[in-house]
Amino acid sequence: DTAVSQTPKYLVTQMGNDKSIKCEQNLGHDTMYWYKQDSKKFLKIMFSYNNKELIINETVPNRFSPKSPDKAHLNLHINSLELGDSAVYFCASSQAKQFANTGELFFGEGSRLTVL
Amino acid sequence: DAKTTQPTSMDCAEGRAANLPCNHSTISGNEYVYWYRQIHSQGPQYIIHGLKNNETNEMASLIITEDRKSSTLILPHATLRDTAVYYCIAFNQGGKLIFGQGTELSVKP
Repeated sequence: DTAVSQTPKYLVTQMGNDKSIKCEQNLGHDTMYWYKQDSKKFLKIMFSYNNKELIINETVPNRFSPKSPDKAHLNLHINSLELGDSAVYFCASSQAKQFANTGELFFGEGSRLTVL
Repeated sequence: DAKTTQPTSMDCAEGRAANLPCNHSTISGNEYVYWYRQIHSQGPQYIIHGLKNNETNEMASLIITEDRKSSTLILPHATLRDTAVYYCIAFNQGGKLIFGQGTELSVKP
């Protein structure tokens, strides 16, 4: 029973297209995240939502739009895809403790996006 | 969040203890030390964390120096499946978990 699941696992698309990656967690956590891991393997935080509210928004092009329909889901929509968007995107979740997010994140298996 | 410094890579013989060092000399009093690992083609996995005291769980032990400027993650009996990139992160509750370059640990038969 997967705790944090992402779909699709692989996505190959053309430049200029719009695509979405979905994430769901069944851990009952309040906070969800999107991280990007590029070809050099650096993991960078992109967004974080707590109970459907955006709390972290790093310097990410506005072509990237996260959407959280409920606290168990955080989807990532990317408009006008560019070659540089090729990466592995990881979704994660965590539980708040005493109103602050802990550093114990549960990550999904990643979605590998290739833009041609 | 404090910056951490780790060796780029390390080797360890299977069955031996793997000791992974981390330097965090600018860590502040309320920052925890967290360790994660990422096995090839998988998502990062939480291992352990601590503030001041040494910690142990079913995966590893964490030794934090008294001045908190460095720590060591210990895998007591490394197996081939422990081959991964290990990340040491200084984290403030409510802050952002920021991954550095990590240490690429190769466990060899």
